[in-house]
Amino acid sequence: GENVEQHPSTLSVQEGDSAVIKCTYSDSASNYFPWYKQELGKRPQLIIDIRSNVGEKKDQRIAVTLNKTAKHFSLHITETQPEDSAVYFCAAPYSGGYNKLIFGAGTRLAVHP
Amino acid sequence: DAMVIQNPRYQVTQFGKPVTLSCSQTLNHNVMYWYQQKSSQAPKLLFHYYDKDFNNEADTPDNFQSRRPNTSFCFLDIRSPGLGDAAMYLCATSGTVGNQPQHFGDGTRLSIL
Repeated sequence: GENVEQHPSTLSVQEGDSAVIKCTYSDSASNYFPWYKQELGKRPQLIIDIRSNVGEKKDQRIAVTLNKTAKHFSLHITETQPEDSAVYFCAAPYSGGYNKLIFGAGTRLAVHP
Repeated sequence: DAMVIQNPRYQVTQFGKPVTLSCSQTLNHNVMYWYQQKSSQAPKLLFHYYDKDFNNEADTPDNFQSRRPNTSFCFLDIRSPGLGDAAMYLCATSGTVGNQPQHFGDGTRLSIL
């Protein structure tokens, strides 16, 4: 079955710096990779996703890259701001149901002013 | 406007006393999911429905059950809550055409006395 590993578990950056979070997956058939942001006490919110037919997708300060050969995908946040501080989860689909996702363990990002 | 609505936001119950958490959606999505999330860990899938087709995860305890009376509503029943069941319970929905993102509710934080 699918397995998703996420690194680092914590990340601390200065405001304005870039942040990169990396995930690896095991199932070569996986073809959809969402990223969720979860602020303290709130619901996970989809911030960006990528499908396996593209290698990169950008949305303002956020980008995701996908390397299907190496089976990893990364979240890039540029010009970080304090409001980017949250826990970020990557996810990948796994079989046996409809759009089932397995989540990475999460990365706690702290952006210091 | 909230599209996946969970009630209540906070629930306190006694050890062993049955409790029901509810979820409703305005997205008309076929698939609904229930997750358990502890202490900023990754959400853990308990079960999901495609319409009324119920799919249980292999490691979901028998203590947890679910009902989906119609497309809009889904309930999580915990028959005899133990201290280890204290957690955030998240409901999510998705469509079924291709790879669809999951949309989460704000969750119900369950405390066990």
